Amino acid sequence: EAQVTQNPRYLITVTGKKLTVTCSQNMNHEYMSWYRQDPGLGLRQIYYSMNVEVTDKGDVPEGYKVSRKEKRNFPLILESPSPNQTSLYFCASAVRQGFNEQFFGPGTRLTVL
Amino acid sequence: QQPVQSPQAVILREGEDAVINCSSSKALYSVHWYRQKHGEAPVFLMILLKGGEQKGHEKISASFNEKKQQSSLYLTASQLSYSGTYFCGTEADNTGGFKTIFGAGTRLFVKA
Repeated sequence: EAQVTQNPRYLITVTGKKLTVTCSQNMNHEYMSWYRQDPGLGLRQIYYSMNVEVTDKGDVPEGYKVSRKEKRNFPLILESPSPNQTSLYFCASAVRQGFNEQFFGPGTRLTVL
Repeated sequence: QQPVQSPQAVILREGEDAVINCSSSKALYSVHWYRQKHGEAPVFLMILLKGGEQKGHEKISASFNEKKQQSSLYLTASQLSYSGTYFCGTEADNTGGFKTIFGAGTRLFVKA
């Protein structure tokens, strides 16, 4: 089944404790992206990747890191999480950047205390 | 810059029609529409490319007026299953390629 998977689905952590949210897609998509969703603000892009080893900042990249060492994986790293990073996070992938349907993962609900 | 969606929320009775608007201050190359049900991931509905093409998806259709930098999503004879939050995503030419920027969403509730 074609899908985007994320892990974990739920995470409660404390300020400053490094964490990684994994994202994997099995559709051989070139484009992958991370979004955060907050009430009233919609989906805001954190980082995106046009292909392996090619990443770029989205609209809200502060406090986040990403890497794209393999085509299928695009982990989101929070080196020192803070309470303002409490949010619902979605990973998405598409055949390529631009003019293409994005397939979203199930989401990761993160709470930083 | 984030596109502006209107209305922010709408309540319909089953069978009624609704229009959701999306406008941008930037020249657009395309507009995407997604629907998100509560507790789920957004799901793609359709994409409209520059050229004013109108598209349809069951009883849901959309138009794109690139001169006005606007798109509208039309839901006709609404069903209970249409309830959810609708997002438009716009693509404008930015340095380094096209980025999809999503609006804040329109919450739609269809009641029996």
